Amino acid sequence: EAGVAQSPRYKIIEKRQSVAFWCNPISGHATLYWYQQILGQGPKLLIQFQNNGVVDDSQLPKDRFSAERLKGVDSTLKIQPAKLEDSAVYLCASSLGHPDQPQHFGDGTRLSIL
Amino acid sequence: QKEVEQNSGPLSVPEGAIASLNCTYSDRGSQSFFWYRQYSGKSPELIMFIYSNGDKEDGRFTAQLNKASQYVSLLIRDSQPSDSATYLCAVKGSSASKIIFGSGTRLSIRP
Repeated sequence: EAGVAQSPRYKIIEKRQSVAFWCNPISGHATLYWYQQILGQGPKLLIQFQNNGVVDDSQLPKDRFSAERLKGVDSTLKIQPAKLEDSAVYLCASSLGHPDQPQHFGDGTRLSIL
Repeated sequence: QKEVEQNSGPLSVPEGAIASLNCTYSDRGSQSFFWYRQYSGKSPELIMFIYSNGDKEDGRFTAQLNKASQYVSLLIRDSQPSDSATYLCAVKGSSASKIIFGSGTRLSIRP
C-alpha cells in the first residue's frame, strides 16, 4: 500500500512570497489533515477534510492560508503572503472515514522563510 | 492548562530497561488515544492506539489508559537504541473529531 505522498520535500522562500504544498492521501482514505509542526513542538492541526468538505479549520490563519480538496482525493495548502513565523514542517496525514481511526503521515514539507 | 501535556524530557534510559512515557489530557470526554514515534527530521509514525481503560500490549509496547485520572502512558520493554526518538501523545477530544497532539517526550536509550 502506497503511503501519503507530499511535495515538495523542501522549500525556501522570502517573506511575503507565496508557496503551495501538495498532498495525495492513501487510497481510500476519506479524511485528510494538514498540520504545522514548529521545531520542538507537536503537530498543530490547520485543517481537516472529510472527502471534499471542511470538518475543522479553526486554527487555520485564514488571512494568509488556504487549502482545498476539490475532488475529495489530493489536496493543496497555500500560504500567501508568507511570514517568518511560518517556518515549519507542514505535514499531511490521512485516515479512514471513522474519526477514531489513526492517522498516517506523509514525509512533510520543510519550509524556510528568509 | 495545555489540552495534552507531556514531559519534554529528555528521558534517558539504559538499554534493556523499561522506558515509561506519560501523558495527561484535560478533556474528560476524550475517546481515543494515540502514541506516535518521531525520529529527528522524520514524520510521526503510529505505534499504538487505545480506546478503553486498562492495558493494551503490542510486542515490546504497552499502552495504559486511565480515564478517571485522565492520563495515558506508554511502556517500552527491553529498550533498544533504535527506540531513541520523540514520542508524541495524541488525544481525540469529545467534540467533533479533532485530534490534539502533545509536544512530545524525547527519549534517549543509552548503551
